[in-house]
Amino acid sequence: AQSVTQLDSHVSVSEGTPVLLRCNYSSSYSPSLFWYVQHPNKGLQLLLKYTSAATLVKGINGFEAEFKKSETSFHLTKPSAHMSDAAEYFCVVRPFRGANNLFFGTGTRLTVIP
Amino acid sequence: NAGVTQTPKFQVLKTGQSMTLQCAQDMNHEYMSWYRQDPGMGLRLIHYSVGAGITDQGEVPNGYNVSRSTTEDFPLRLLSAAPSQTSVYFCASSSPPGAEAFFGQGTRLTVV
Repeated sequence: AQSVTQLDSHVSVSEGTPVLLRCNYSSSYSPSLFWYVQHPNKGLQLLLKYTSAATLVKGINGFEAEFKKSETSFHLTKPSAHMSDAAEYFCVVRPFRGANNLFFGTGTRLTVIP
Repeated sequence: NAGVTQTPKFQVLKTGQSMTLQCAQDMNHEYMSWYRQDPGMGLRLIHYSVGAGITDQGEVPNGYNVSRSTTEDFPLRLLSAAPSQTSVYFCASSSPPGAEAFFGQGTRLTVV
């Protein structure tokens, strides 16, 4: 079975401080993992993806994530939060290469305090 | 580039009415899917298609029909709308294996 758990439904940080959004997955195979961002009343935009290459993945807008197989984690980080980072973030898993479907976490709402 | 286009963006239906949510992509992707987004539940897969003429059910298919007559289009039909179908609906397409999905802007549906 495969699933995705986002450990925090809401994270609040001050502008300029680091961001950590946590994600754990379960998969019996070698998964592909993604982080998507959704700004209010918008569609989902891909931030970054892991597909079995380098375990440290860099994405857009200064975000990065590290795939840790031993911990089954794929946490999203950013060194310094910006006001424009306030949004909903989704961790997503494709259970194995060639799998048709994606499995979504329940989302983490990031608030950035001025 | 248009990407994935959904219409309409907003819709209000009365209970029992039917309607079709349109989705079109111009990236020649084989795989298309429909999700619904509800608060605190992430996105849940309704139906998906791996190519023209092939569709299958996702996690929450009841009350919805789909068809895939062309690579570009993947409409979602609500047969008899119910208040439980009030949600935001997203269409997505991708070119597997392992590739990311591209999402439309969403359709906010309210059933009263």
